[in-house]
Amino acid sequence: NAGVTQTPKFQVLKTGQSMTLQCAQDMNHEYMSWYRQDPGMGLRLIHYSVGAGITDQGEVPNGYNVSRSTTEDFPLRLLSAAPSQTSVYFCASSTRGLGIFGYTFGSGTRLTVV
Amino acid sequence: QQQVKQSPQSLIVQKGGIPIINCAYENTAFDYFPWYQQFPGKGPALLIAIRPDVSEKKEGRFTISFNKSAKQFSLHIMDSQPGDSATYFCAASMDSNYQLIWGAGTKLIIKP
Repeated sequence: NAGVTQTPKFQVLKTGQSMTLQCAQDMNHEYMSWYRQDPGMGLRLIHYSVGAGITDQGEVPNGYNVSRSTTEDFPLRLLSAAPSQTSVYFCASSTRGLGIFGYTFGSGTRLTVV
Repeated sequence: QQQVKQSPQSLIVQKGGIPIINCAYENTAFDYFPWYQQFPGKGPALLIAIRPDVSEKKEGRFTISFNKSAKQFSLHIMDSQPGDSATYFCAASMDSNYQLIWGAGTKLIIKP
């Protein structure tokens, strides 16, 4: 089915470890973004991309890196995991013209840093 | 000016009642106002959206009311059901921009 695929669904990291959260979409969407969701904090934008080769920082970018080498993929890298990065991470994509379909979200990655 | 303020943070309503969730914004350049619904363990999904040229939009049991002069919009759920229990997010955007500015979310519980 068309949509946004995130892997893994669950991950436990030790403090200081690095890892990459994967996000792929097959809808040819130009825009992709990463959010983290914490209790009572809503959705906070980490990084986003408006096309291959173009990325920019969101509200809470520290400790995370992204790249966009293809239209389909937008991986999020945690450089040195910290307990403060324990969260649920969502990837979202959209095409220009949000009105009809809006953002399509993945099902999330639940990350615990111990 | 980029904020969207959402209230209440949580809401409990009996089945059949009409929960109302409110959002307010400051930036008059916003021209697209969606609501997203999120069930536990899932990503948010677009529920309904409105543009400021209309004051109300209905899709099934869900209605957005929009007050341009007050810079407020709200979500009403008619004949609410336990299956409507979810977290609801309002958001705002400018059509020329991909970015959605999100409200903080409302956790809605519909009691049987």
